Amino acid sequence: GNSVTQMEGPVTLSEEAFLTINCTYTATGYPSLFWYVQYPGEGLQLLLKATKADDKGSNKGFEATYRKETTSFHLEKGSVQVSDSAVYFCALMGGSYIPTFGRGTSLIVHP
Amino acid sequence: NAGVTQTPKFRILKIGQSMTLQCTQDMNHNYMYWYRQDPGMGLKLIYYSVGAGITDKGEVPNGYNVSRSTTEDFPLRLELAAPSQTSVYFCASSHSGGDEKLFFGSGTQLSVL
Repeated sequence: GNSVTQMEGPVTLSEEAFLTINCTYTATGYPSLFWYVQYPGEGLQLLLKATKADDKGSNKGFEATYRKETTSFHLEKGSVQVSDSAVYFCALMGGSYIPTFGRGTSLIVHP
Repeated sequence: NAGVTQTPKFRILKIGQSMTLQCTQDMNHNYMYWYRQDPGMGLKLIYYSVGAGITDKGEVPNGYNVSRSTTEDFPLRLELAAPSQTSVYFCASSHSGGDEKLFFGSGTQLSVL
């Protein structure tokens, strides 16, 4: 079956540091890949997505590239802010239309 | 736009009680999902529906039931609540699955004591 593996958190950074959150996946076929963000006390919301190999999703300074050869979709941001503190979920949607989520990675950004 | 609305936001139940978590979406989405979120465990799919009248089990359906009589509503029923059902519950919807994003409600925090 499909699966998503994310790096364990929490990830703790100082403001303006570079962020990478690793995500790898296992799936048959050609899934779509997503990053969702969950701010404290809220539901998840879509951050970015990519639907085919070599696509780059981007939003709010975050980027992730769909790498089929390494089955990865790592999330990056060049300069994090305190307001980026949240839990980040990597997810895939395969042919069954049932989303598969990773466990989530907590990001804490200190001033 | 209301999006996905969940009620209640918080609830405390006694062991053995039952309750229904309500979920309504106003986007005419076909696909709807119920997840539970336990600390450090990510999201686990309880039930899902691909359209009115059609529901199916997810990863952790035991102790729960759902119905989908209309496109808009997807209530989750807990019968004989147990402490293991203490969790945060999220409802989500999407138009057609595939590369469509999910819209999430704000969650229901449930404690069973």
